[in-house]
Amino acid sequence: AQTVTQSQPEMSVQEAETVTLSCTYDTSENNYYLFWYKQPPSRQMILVIRQEAYKQQNATENRFSVNFQKAAKSFSLKISDSQLGDTAMYFCAFMKHAGRDDKIIFGKGTRLHILP
Amino acid sequence: EAQVTQNPRYLITVTGKKLTVTCSQNMNHEYMSWYRQDPGLGLRQIYYSMNVEVTDKGDVPEGYKVSRKEKRNFPLILESPSPNQTSLYFCASARGLNTEAFFGQGTRLTVV
Repeated sequence: AQTVTQSQPEMSVQEAETVTLSCTYDTSENNYYLFWYKQPPSRQMILVIRQEAYKQQNATENRFSVNFQKAAKSFSLKISDSQLGDTAMYFCAFMKHAGRDDKIIFGKGTRLHILP
Repeated sequence: EAQVTQNPRYLITVTGKKLTVTCSQNMNHEYMSWYRQDPGLGLRQIYYSMNVEVTDKGDVPEGYKVSRKEKRNFPLILESPSPNQTSLYFCASARGLNTEAFFGQGTRLTVV
């Protein structure tokens, strides 16, 4: 069974700094998708970034980028020039490439505080 | 506007009183799912549906029922709620396999 581990329950950084959230996963699959979701205090779940395992190039989305290490099964999220609005809970998630059992598996989350 | 709508947003109920949390999406998505979010446990899947009349158990289905009679609606039913079902519930939909999931705004349920 697939598992997703976020080892940092909570982090705090100063505004404008760069922060990296870690995520590791365990799977025997070769093709899959990885996601980072952001949950601000409003509780809305927002997709931040998406990575396809067969793509070697790391996904980027404005200030958000990932470091995808397939062999190490690691998928960390880097937030550059952090802003107060980045304060949120961040969830790493895994989904198999195809098949009947295609549910998304989430990590337990990392609570990120951006300090003024 | 593309969205997933859950109702109610907040609900306090008593043990054993049947309740339904509704979920509706306007994106013609085939895939819909329910999650519960508890501190320190992340999001755990309760049930999911690949299409109309097709539903499957997730990781924590005990005490819950769902139905998918129409593509847009996926209600979550608690026939006899218990205090351990006090949680934050999210409905999500997606176009299909491996695509972005859109989440509702969440339902905070308290069972006393």
